[in-house]
Formats: sequence, structure tokens, C-alpha cells
Amino acid sequence: EDKVVQSPLSLVVHEGDTVTLNCSYEVTNFRSLLWYKQEKKAPTFLFMLTSSGIEKKSGRLSSILDKKELFSILNITATQTGDSAVYLCALNQAGTALIFGKGTTLSVSS
Amino acid sequence: DVKVTQSSRYLVKRTGEKVFLECVQDMDHENMFWYRQDPGLGLRLIYFSYDVKMKEKGDIPEGYSVSREKKERFSLILESASTNQTSMYLCASSLGQGHTDTQYFGPGTRLTVL
Repeated sequence: EDKVVQSPLSLVVHEGDTVTLNCSYEVTNFRSLLWYKQEKKAPTFLFMLTSSGIEKKSGRLSSILDKKELFSILNITATQTGDSAVYLCALNQAGTALIFGKGTTLSVSS
Repeated sequence: DVKVTQSSRYLVKRTGEKVFLECVQDMDHENMFWYRQDPGLGLRLIYFSYDVKMKEKGDIPEGYSVSREKKERFSLILESASTNQTSMYLCASSLGQGHTDTQYFGPGTRLTVL
């Protein structure tokens, strides 16, 4: 059965810390892996990864995919209180439906 | 920018009522999706549609139906609402051109069934 597992489920850090969020997956027909950030409302798109070893970067956030070991990580450096959110990992298996992990809840304290 | 809108942000209904949740996207996307999100369970796919009048069941279609009469609009229908359908409902759309699809989400409708 296809599945996406995120760890940790929750995390509390201080401003300025660096965090690494993990997403491992088992899927029979991998197309792409996506990361979303969800604050109080709808998820907003962060990254889409299709190839191993190529880092995607946006400001203090970066992500990389390992298709051999079947995982991805999302790094956030110099965290700020505005980074507090639920981070969702999702697998695109057929160009249509996404399989979501349960998310990692990040809390950044000042 | 892609814009996905949902008809209500908050909705309170009674058990047994028929409930319509509307979603509209303005970017001519082929694919549209309905998810529900519950604490500890993440996002779960209810139904999706890859074309007008076409629909596919997701992981949890029981108790729901959908309608897509126009490309830009995808409706979720609860024929007879029950308390276990209290949830956050999220609509999404995507372009529909293969595996580079990225889904864009609406703001969500928080439905409470009393």
C-alpha cells in the first residue's frame, strides 16, 4: 500500500535554530514529491521535487529528494516565528491525486 | 496567480440536512479535488475530477457526491449530513499536464454538523 510518513509529528524550537523535517515514502508509481506549508488556512505550495540529489531552495528553506532511499528532507535555517506552521509532504503518483503525509507541526518560539 | 475560491469559510448544519460546498478556480485547470482534513489524519481525498462531467472516487467517498458541470466549478454534496462529517473541507485544482502537476488550494470550509 502506498504511504507517506513524516517525522517528527511535532517540533518546538527557538528562533534562530535550524530544523530538518523528514518525509519517507513507499509508492509504486512515483512521479514527484511536493512540500506544502499550512498555517491557519489552506496549504501553500513550497517545492516540487522530481529528481534525486537536486536541491531546491527558496530563501531560508531548502529541500532535497533521495529516490534510492525513498525520502525527502525540508530544511529551514535561522527559523523565525513566522515559520510556525504544519508542513505537509505529498506524493504525486499519477499526475492527478496526491497522497499526503500527516504533517509535521513546527512551533518556533521567540 | 491561481485563485481557488470556496463558497463559505464556516458553515453550521444540522444532521440530515443536504449540504453543498462550492469551489471555483479561475485558471482553466483540468483537475479539481475535494479533501477533508482532520486532526491526526491529515488530508484525505474524497473525490477528484479530471474533466467536465468526469469524476473519480478518492480514499473516502462514502457519504459524499460531486458535480462538475462546468470546468471552473466543482461541487461537493453531502446528501444527508452526519456529525462525523464535521471537518475542514479543502478544494484544490491543478493544470493537468502530467506528473509536474502542482495543486493549488482554496481557503477551506470549516463545516460543523450538529
